[in-house]
Amino acid sequence: QQQVKQSPQSLIVQKGGISIINCAYENTAFDYFPWYQQFPGKGPALLIAIRPDVSEKKEGRFTISFNKSAKQFSLHIMDSQPGDSATYFCAVRGSTLGRLYFGRGTQLTVWP
Amino acid sequence: GAVVSQHPSWVICKSGTSVKIECRSLDFQATTMFWYRQFPKQSLMLMATSNEGSKATYEQGVEKDKFLINHASLTLSTLTVTSAHPEDSSFYICSAKQGKSNQPQHFGDGTRLSIL
Repeated sequence: QQQVKQSPQSLIVQKGGISIINCAYENTAFDYFPWYQQFPGKGPALLIAIRPDVSEKKEGRFTISFNKSAKQFSLHIMDSQPGDSATYFCAVRGSTLGRLYFGRGTQLTVWP
Repeated sequence: GAVVSQHPSWVICKSGTSVKIECRSLDFQATTMFWYRQFPKQSLMLMATSNEGSKATYEQGVEKDKFLINHASLTLSTLTVTSAHPEDSSFYICSAKQGKSNQPQHFGDGTRLSIL
């Protein structure tokens, strides 16, 4: 059973535009909601993360919006750049053992 | 800080051989390490979780005799793919975390395994 559903599967954005990726989960026992960025041939790198007691977190051009009641969270990339072209994974973390459950990923392409 | 090093980054070997992948935490003590497998254009699938000095806990469907995990120290975990076959070809990624469950996982750069 997939613990977190991610959409869209792929996203094409023009340089300077806003990229938005969404994730939804069911289990309320998750305590940590990170986003990872992965380039081809590399491991995932933590981009930004949020805890459920906060509704929004911003770090530079990256913002997480978190809706606890709707069990949804999203990643917004402002002023998208070609260097942002990568695969993005949302994840949720179980409170026991700290294991992560990953979404299926979104392949973002930013056109110059 | 919080660097995880994985070695080798790429390995090609013949079918039937065993391959060992190392995962090291360079600047912190990794109480728990995780091993993932990722097929092209797919998500990361957790294979097993290992705590230092304990036997690994494998996810459902992962053969423990096929994928041997050793976490003998707080800075090193190894994954050995025994009698590897072409269907084992994949991208293997480790992660490590320190201390309690609310600490973040830090990922290595993965190992591309190709079995001929």
